[in-house]
Amino acid sequence: DTAVSQTPKYLVTQMGNDKSIKCEQNLGHDTMYWYKQDSKKFLKIMFSYNNKELIINETVPNRFSPKSPDKAHLNLHINSLELGDSAVYFCASSRTGGGGLSGANVLTFGAGSRLTVL
Amino acid sequence: AQSVTQLDSHVSVSEGTPVLLRCNYSSSYSPSLFWYVQHPNKGLQLLLKYTSAATLVKGINGFEAEFKKSETSFHLTKPSAHMSDAAEYFCVVSASGGSYIPTFGRGTSLIVHP
Repeated sequence: DTAVSQTPKYLVTQMGNDKSIKCEQNLGHDTMYWYKQDSKKFLKIMFSYNNKELIINETVPNRFSPKSPDKAHLNLHINSLELGDSAVYFCASSRTGGGGLSGANVLTFGAGSRLTVL
Repeated sequence: AQSVTQLDSHVSVSEGTPVLLRCNYSSSYSPSLFWYVQHPNKGLQLLLKYTSAATLVKGINGFEAEFKKSETSFHLTKPSAHMSDAAEYFCVVSASGGSYIPTFGRGTSLIVHP
């Protein structure tokens, strides 16, 4: 199936631990994103990579570090987890380009990874 | 610069009645506009998109939206709500072409009563 898949789906961990969330897309897209969704459902963009290069890096603590080994993968590593990091993290991908009738710029989302920090 | 405002955090309707979810945007460029839906504990799914073609856009599940440049609006409508429409809806704006930075609204929770 063509999709954006992220693992793990659920992650429960203690404060101070380090954890990673992995994301893979097989859609042939050239841009990948990480979004954080808080308890009020607000979606905030964290990072975006285009062809393995960082193009968006919003105000996110240095404890968060994205890594894109290739166009199809964008992993998120979080150091020294804090209570406030508890959220659902969504990976997404898109094919960049002009507007018009093409499918460019449409985001395809993964199912989300729910992180709970105790 | 671009931004999007969803005017209602919650909308409550009865099954079979019309749905209206309001979205206003601002963009320095010719915008692309999208509506996404998120069902409970699920990822986001594209409902419909406007990318400078027809101003009335039809999407999945009977939803449609109209791009009104003079009002900078992109409201989502459906003639008759179904229980399965209960979900969170997000309006998104981005620039057509060039640098693409998708900006999400804060979401509108649609509640459908039997």
